[in-house]
Amino acid sequence: EPEVTQTPSHQVTQMGQEVILRCVPISNHLYFYWYRQILGQKVEFLVSFYNNEISEKSEIFDDQFSVERPDGSNFTLKIRSTKLEDSAMYFCASSESVETQYFGPGTRLLVL
Amino acid sequence: ILNVEQSPQSLHVQEGDSTNFTCSFPSSNFYALHWYRWETAKSPEALFVMTLNGDEKKKGRISATLNTKEGYSYLYIKGSQPEDSATYLCAFNFYQKVTFGTGTKLQVIP
Repeated sequence: EPEVTQTPSHQVTQMGQEVILRCVPISNHLYFYWYRQILGQKVEFLVSFYNNEISEKSEIFDDQFSVERPDGSNFTLKIRSTKLEDSAMYFCASSESVETQYFGPGTRLLVL
Repeated sequence: ILNVEQSPQSLHVQEGDSTNFTCSFPSSNFYALHWYRWETAKSPEALFVMTLNGDEKKKGRISATLNTKEGYSYLYIKGSQPEDSATYLCAFNFYQKVTFGTGTKLQVIP
């Protein structure tokens, strides 16, 4: 069964560094999403992406964040100048339509 | 900011008991309501997507209902099994922006 994959599974970085989180959505899906969950808090929507552009973004998704689909398969989340409070589990999801979303296993980011 | 609430926060039931949880959401600008099952150390697994008022969906022992006019959805589990232990999340779709509830953590005791 096709699934969403994410790399790396864990990332440790120093405050102020840039990180790129990678996702490979399910191949025929057209909608892509990033979410995060800070430990002990609820899952938060960051951004949705369709037709090579951002379709919706939350208040969290400021200039520190950017998304890209650099080729036909990868969907990346770049976090510039990381802060301690960016430590979280980051989930990518994809969907064929704006209905059922399939989640990847997540990347656990720790900013020191 | 859209408010999506789930209750209860956590629940312990005996194996074989039936149970249900609630998700409440804004009744205006409704697009879709999702239910996910999230086991520890795994990614959220889609259970249902509900779009129409009065929708009822079923998957094995799990079913869900939707009332968009009053802004709530119920998830029912009939005859709970230990493998049903997980966090059940609902998520409200406002176009392509999704707001998650805090989840209901279910523990089924054998």
